[in-house]
Amino acid sequence: GAGVSQSPSNKVTEKGKDVELRCDPISGHTALYWYRQSLGQGLEFLIYFQGNSAPDKSGLPSDRFSAERTGGSVSTLTIQRTQQEDSAVYLCASSDARTGSGETQYFGPGTRLLVL
Amino acid sequence: QKEVEQNSGPLSVPEGAIASLNCTYSDRGSQSFFWYRQYSGKSPELIMSIYSNGDKEDGRFTAQLNKASQYVSLLIRDSQPSDSATYLCAVILSGGSYIPTFGRGTSLIVHP
Repeated sequence: GAGVSQSPSNKVTEKGKDVELRCDPISGHTALYWYRQSLGQGLEFLIYFQGNSAPDKSGLPSDRFSAERTGGSVSTLTIQRTQQEDSAVYLCASSDARTGSGETQYFGPGTRLLVL
Repeated sequence: QKEVEQNSGPLSVPEGAIASLNCTYSDRGSQSFFWYRQYSGKSPELIMSIYSNGDKEDGRFTAQLNKASQYVSLLIRDSQPSDSATYLCAVILSGGSYIPTFGRGTSLIVHP
């Protein structure tokens, strides 16, 4: 694909339900990042993958949040037992750490999550 | 202490003026710096990256980096209403990871 894609674009769920958010990075990008952005706020780092491994999970806000990446490509962010404070836009970005400008991140369109 | 600081604004400039956006960072060993633009309801998009002290120009945009003073700026010449957005500064801090630290962003309004 030409860019980073995310699905679903919007998700409305009830408090206590589990949700899965998907990210499809740019083909060949080895690094993948998840961020959360609440209304009017900056980007909150959640987790980073290099290949299939996650060397930095420091941003996950609680043990209700988990993420995985398979085949060095698609990643899924799972939020269990959602709470209203989880409502935010979840952004995924990828970068190609192998190139000289490898730190440049390309963002997907985001998933807007609303927990009722 | 926040590691990457930006004035949240809004910064309001008239059309055609120069908009100056500033960002300071706390880690003296930082090596990579980025400016992203984020329109309301959209995801961030890269405008410029800068790695060396001095100025880097790309069209109407100029990034300025001063590592001794630990700040990076973005100048937008001939500002247009379409430049109205939030501008995010991102810094790769020293330590070997590729994870950028983002500032909270400065809201820019260019009025006709």
